[in-house]
Amino acid sequence: NAGVTQTPKFQVLKTGQSMTLQCAQDMNHNSMYWYRQDPGMGLRLIYYSASEGTTDKGEVPNGYNVSRLNKREFSLRLESAAPSQTSVYFCASIGGTANTGELFFGEGSRLTVL
Amino acid sequence: AQTVTQSQPEMSVQEAETVTLSCTYDTSESDYYLFWYKQPPSRQMILVIRQEAYKQQNATENRFSVNFQKAAKSFSLKISDSQLGDAAMYFCAYRRPGTYKYIFGTGTRLKVLA
Repeated sequence: NAGVTQTPKFQVLKTGQSMTLQCAQDMNHNSMYWYRQDPGMGLRLIYYSASEGTTDKGEVPNGYNVSRLNKREFSLRLESAAPSQTSVYFCASIGGTANTGELFFGEGSRLTVL
Repeated sequence: AQTVTQSQPEMSVQEAETVTLSCTYDTSESDYYLFWYKQPPSRQMILVIRQEAYKQQNATENRFSVNFQKAAKSFSLKISDSQLGDAAMYFCAYRRPGTYKYIFGTGTRLKVLA
């Protein structure tokens, strides 16, 4: 049972480079999320997708774009990476009923921007 | 806007002892959900326990229990008989029913001493 799978797990970029973080879930969940985790700041929502075909901004969307490719996949793109985007990124999806919604997380992707 | 506060950046507990992690939140809603998530050093976050605000009874899951004080807007996590495997970062989170957004606290790092 794979759950939520993120790739890559580690990436080093130079300022200005672009990259895409991939996320896929095999639990038939409707809603998917991208968070970033920084020391002392907890998890902050970048973007989320309530259902296939929809995406919405979270708390910190600047510098990012997302694509909900299908029900399984939700990718996060950095068009022009900046050192401030050095972080650990987590993809998550909602399981259970729509009202309680336990979040299932991927293992995270550590991104360093030099 | 809703906020979640974890005032203890780090806690330590002796193996087999009991520890309580604090969480307070601010909301004007009467119906909501509260969660505690555990992030072990391997980084994948998992749900520890969930509490529905309309339920008076405190949730329990084996050695994990909560003290939910709705009027005080407090949601603490008690870990009994602490084990080395409990060492992790613990996040408190809030979610309003019918929405897709979670609000996370900044986390408490728990160390378990042998």
